[in-house]
Amino acid sequence: AQSVSQHNHHVILSEAASLELGCNYSYGGTVNLFWYVQYPGQHLQLLLKYFSGDPLVKGIKGFEAEFIKSKFSFNLRKPSVQWSDTAEYFCAVNSQAGTALIFGKGTTLSVSS
Amino acid sequence: EAGVAQSPRYKIIEKRQSVAFWCNPISGHATLYWYQQILGQGPKLLIQFQNNGVVDDSQLPKDRFSAERLKGVDSTLKIQPAKLEDSAVYLCASSLDRPGTSGNTIYFGEGSWLTVV
Repeated sequence: AQSVSQHNHHVILSEAASLELGCNYSYGGTVNLFWYVQYPGQHLQLLLKYFSGDPLVKGIKGFEAEFIKSKFSFNLRKPSVQWSDTAEYFCAVNSQAGTALIFGKGTTLSVSS
Repeated sequence: EAGVAQSPRYKIIEKRQSVAFWCNPISGHATLYWYQQILGQGPKLLIQFQNNGVVDDSQLPKDRFSAERLKGVDSTLKIQPAKLEDSAVYLCASSLDRPGTSGNTIYFGEGSWLTVV
């Protein structure tokens, strides 16, 4: 069965620090990969997605993620975080065969100014 | 473009009572999903519709949960009778195509917060 693991439950950073959130998935077939963000009091919003092609994908607000197929990973990165990046981040995966979107448990990012 | 609309936003009920949530997806989106998000966890799919047909309801507790999408647009999710462990956010989402289609993005509503006391 598909599963998604997010390694960090809660990350605390100061403004301008670099961010990397880990995500590993378990699935044998071809997958689509997503990072969603949920700001306090708001709905889930898509940060970025990978379907095929260049494994380094860029999303909104300066975020990027790299798909490493051999490691079944899709880590999220940002070179310099801002206070406004405080939110919960979810990694999600579905298969190109059409299975439902499966989410990780999420990582809470707290950025202090 | 209007997003996914859900109501009510908040609901508090006693255990064994019933509750219904409504969802209006983005116009033209064929696929509609209901997810349950328990505090501290990621969203979990309850049911997926393709137009007005059920595609996946394998994780829907069918003894107490039901959902319908009669005309292939709006959808309702009902819980009867509610249990304490049903306290969660119920997220409705929609997408233009079926999951897995290249380029297909799933858009989420703001959620309906349910507290069962």
